Amino acid sequence: NAGVTQTPKFQVLKTGQSMTLQCAQDMNHNSMYWYRQDPGMGLRLIYYSASEGTTDKGEVPNGYNVSRLNKREFSLRLESAAPSQTSVYFCASTNRGGGWTEAFFGQGTRLTVV
Amino acid sequence: LAKTTQPISMDSYEGQEVNITCSHNNIATNDYITWYQQFPSQGPRFIIQGYKTKVTNEVASLFIPADRKSSTLSLPRVSLSDTAVYYCLVLNSGYSTLTFGKGTMLLVSP
Repeated sequence: NAGVTQTPKFQVLKTGQSMTLQCAQDMNHNSMYWYRQDPGMGLRLIYYSASEGTTDKGEVPNGYNVSRLNKREFSLRLESAAPSQTSVYFCASTNRGGGWTEAFFGQGTRLTVV
Repeated sequence: LAKTTQPISMDSYEGQEVNITCSHNNIATNDYITWYQQFPSQGPRFIIQGYKTKVTNEVASLFIPADRKSSTLSLPRVSLSDTAVYYCLVLNSGYSTLTFGKGTMLLVSP
């Protein structure tokens, strides 16, 4: 049982390049999330998908797009990377129904934009 | 969405008990209190969740007074490996997202 798997773990991009961060979960969770974490900061929500087929903006969505490909996979795309997007990105999944269950996080993707 | 307030940082020594308090004055009737732990370079992981009184598991205890306006995460006999950031969240099934504040950075020294 792998839990939440993020790829890649590390990435260096040049300003203006694009890339997609991949996230997959094998726990049959209905909700998935993308966060970014900057040094000394808490996690800030970029986008989330409450259920398959839906996506919504979080606190800091500018410069990002997402795709909920199926129930397992939720990808985050940077169309034109900027140095301000240098951060650690975490994907998470959980089940929301009658109540919150434990959220599981991936190991993170450390992205540097130069 | 209930706002939470917790100390920015705490220091402790190995073997001590650590209590981290979170205040959530506008907690709603159907809100649960949940704590997450984040080690450096890792994603957060769930520690404990409670509604009222006391909850205990193999990692920690959570104390919630009757008015539920605050909660205390208790870590018994901490070790160096308990050095981490601890986040207090207040949420219910009506919320679509998990919102993290800056958490409490706990540093355990030998």
